[in-house]
Amino acid sequence: DTEVTQTPKHLVMGMTNKKSLKCEQHMGHRAMYWYKQKAKKPPELMFVYSYEKLSINESVPSRFSPECPNSSLLNLHLHALQPEDSALYLCASSLRDRGLDEQYFGPGTRLTVT
Amino acid sequence: GENVEQHPSTLSVQEGDSAVIKCTYSDSASNYFPWYKQELGKRPQLIIDIRSNVGEKKDQRIAVTLNKTAKHFSLHITETQPEDSAVYFCAANSGGGADGLTFGKGTHLIIQP
Repeated sequence: DTEVTQTPKHLVMGMTNKKSLKCEQHMGHRAMYWYKQKAKKPPELMFVYSYEKLSINESVPSRFSPECPNSSLLNLHLHALQPEDSALYLCASSLRDRGLDEQYFGPGTRLTVT
Repeated sequence: GENVEQHPSTLSVQEGDSAVIKCTYSDSASNYFPWYKQELGKRPQLIIDIRSNVGEKKDQRIAVTLNKTAKHFSLHITETQPEDSAVYFCAANSGGGADGLTFGKGTHLIIQP
């Protein structure tokens, strides 16, 4: 399996809702990432997990809470989001944690906050 | 942190001609420079990458050059085809350790038939 999968594909949520995004890979990769991409903009790094431990948090608001239950799974828990958080959320993974390996991106979850 | 500048923001070329996209980076510790192609509504797909121990890499119609002294790298696409139309992003890591990528703002490449 050479793919990163993400669910759901689309998500619409209100500002008081709690929801979670899920990312999965079975390539034996030990680094996993969350990026946020607004329309017509580049992906922006949010979090990096290395060997299931959070290694980078790019000053992301606490309404975004990442979790890495095991080496194949990465979740992003969402709570009390704002309309400006509407974006494409991309998960990626790479073989090692040395920043030299190709990052494989999932298809993304398109999030709309109403 | 790393800062990546990318030019041009839009590039229109005739089918069959070459296209060149240029990027500069700020962190001298960066040592990995991938290029991604993103079609509308799809995920970024790696098309080529280069590591700091080489100056040039080629894969069929696509090539990347890296000048570490000047901190810039470029994507070259030859014999462009309509399916090359997409947004292209350059990116750089921050050198060492588990880190993500910093992306340039993207180039919208349009291939005119």
